[in-house]
Amino acid sequence: AQTVTQSQPEMSVQEAETVTLSCTYDTSESDYYLFWYKQPPSRQMILVIRQEAYKQQNATENRFSVNFQKAAKSFSLKISDSQLGDAAMYFCAYNSYNNNDMRFGAGTRLTVKP
Amino acid sequence: SQTIHQWPATLVQPVGSPLSLECTVEGTSNPNLYWYRQAAGRGLQLLFYSVGIGQISSEVPQNLSASRPQDRQFILSSKKLLLSDSGFYLCAWSRDRINYGYTFGSGTRLTVV
Repeated sequence: AQTVTQSQPEMSVQEAETVTLSCTYDTSESDYYLFWYKQPPSRQMILVIRQEAYKQQNATENRFSVNFQKAAKSFSLKISDSQLGDAAMYFCAYNSYNNNDMRFGAGTRLTVKP
Repeated sequence: SQTIHQWPATLVQPVGSPLSLECTVEGTSNPNLYWYRQAAGRGLQLLFYSVGIGQISSEVPQNLSASRPQDRQFILSSKKLLLSDSGFYLCAWSRDRINYGYTFGSGTRLTVV
């Protein structure tokens, strides 16, 4: 079964600085999708960015970008120009092409210091 | 546009009491529906998913059950709650899980006392 590991339970960043959140996953499949979700204090899960495994180009959404290393099974999230509103739990998720089961990591709590 | 509604937002129930959490989706038809549970400080665990009316798949054997009586309605139930059922429950839907990921409801905080 696929597993998703987020090795950083907590991270902190200074406002306007850049932070990278790590994620690794284990799979034997070649076709899959990866996601980063944000969960602010309101607990609403918000999709931040997604990556198709067959694409070599790293996904980018405004200040959010990923570093996808398929061979290393690594999928890190970089947040540039951090803002106070970025403070939240961030979850990495894996979704197999064939299953209806999106697997989530345990999350990383990001604190943004003013 | 599509919206997902989940209620109640918070619930405190005694051990042994029944449970019913409801989730509805608007603005789409035949969505894939999901129930997740999030334990304190942990990731999300898939409990049930449904790809159509009356079609329920259970991922984790436990004290809970799910039903989908209508196309856009997904209900999470229990006949007798246990203390271990406490947690944060999230409903989600997807039209195309591959391209769009999941859209989540606002969640229900369940405390069993």
